[in-house]
Amino acid sequence: QQPVQSPQAVILREGEDAVINCSSSKALYSVHWYRQKHGEAPVFLMILLKGGEQKGHDKISASFNEKKQQSSLYLTASQLSYSGTYFCGTPGGSQGNLIFGKGTKLSVKP
Amino acid sequence: EPEVTQTPSHQVTQMGQEVILRCVPISNHLYFYWYRQILGQKVEFLVSFYNNEISEKSEIFDDQFSVERPDGSNFTLKIRSTKLEDSAMYFCASSVWGQLRGTGYTFGSGTRLTVV
Repeated sequence: QQPVQSPQAVILREGEDAVINCSSSKALYSVHWYRQKHGEAPVFLMILLKGGEQKGHDKISASFNEKKQQSSLYLTASQLSYSGTYFCGTPGGSQGNLIFGKGTKLSVKP
Repeated sequence: EPEVTQTPSHQVTQMGQEVILRCVPISNHLYFYWYRQILGQKVEFLVSFYNNEISEKSEIFDDQFSVERPDGSNFTLKIRSTKLEDSAMYFCASSVWGQLRGTGYTFGSGTRLTVV
């Protein structure tokens, strides 16, 4: 089952914050986050493996609520370089291969 | 930084023709994947490959598709008889241990396939 991301798109001014949510109808034991810039490949940001886990680097962090079957990606004090489409990926199938959400397009304006 | 390399970057083919997309995964990675992305849409899982065999495939990956690792380094995706709806960006990815053990995927830069 494909995870559901919200919102579909966000427009920010530089320095503003954003939250992107990813939820699943089935039990989750891990969530991946990737960013894809226009015309480029998705780039791995982070993986969360445990309920309650939070991770981050620079000003991008994420949390994972296993009970609620959801994860959130937090972008703080956004920079122009944060623009792109953010995908969450959750395990699908018996081998746990990643199934991606439809993505959230983030545009950061000066 | 190790990279996943894909060739060609762009391929135009006529409907009904066979195409082979090539990928060189990162050398110490054990799990390999093909995904595709129709313009502006989500990244769709096609197939995963481990220990020289397919470990999982999606509904999209029908009899027209096949994968091989012919020489221990290259990883190929073949589409036997292309259709217009096969036009998409095809991404190869690899990971050290696979998703179940908590490692991220490294994606190649993709092959844009255009079927005319």
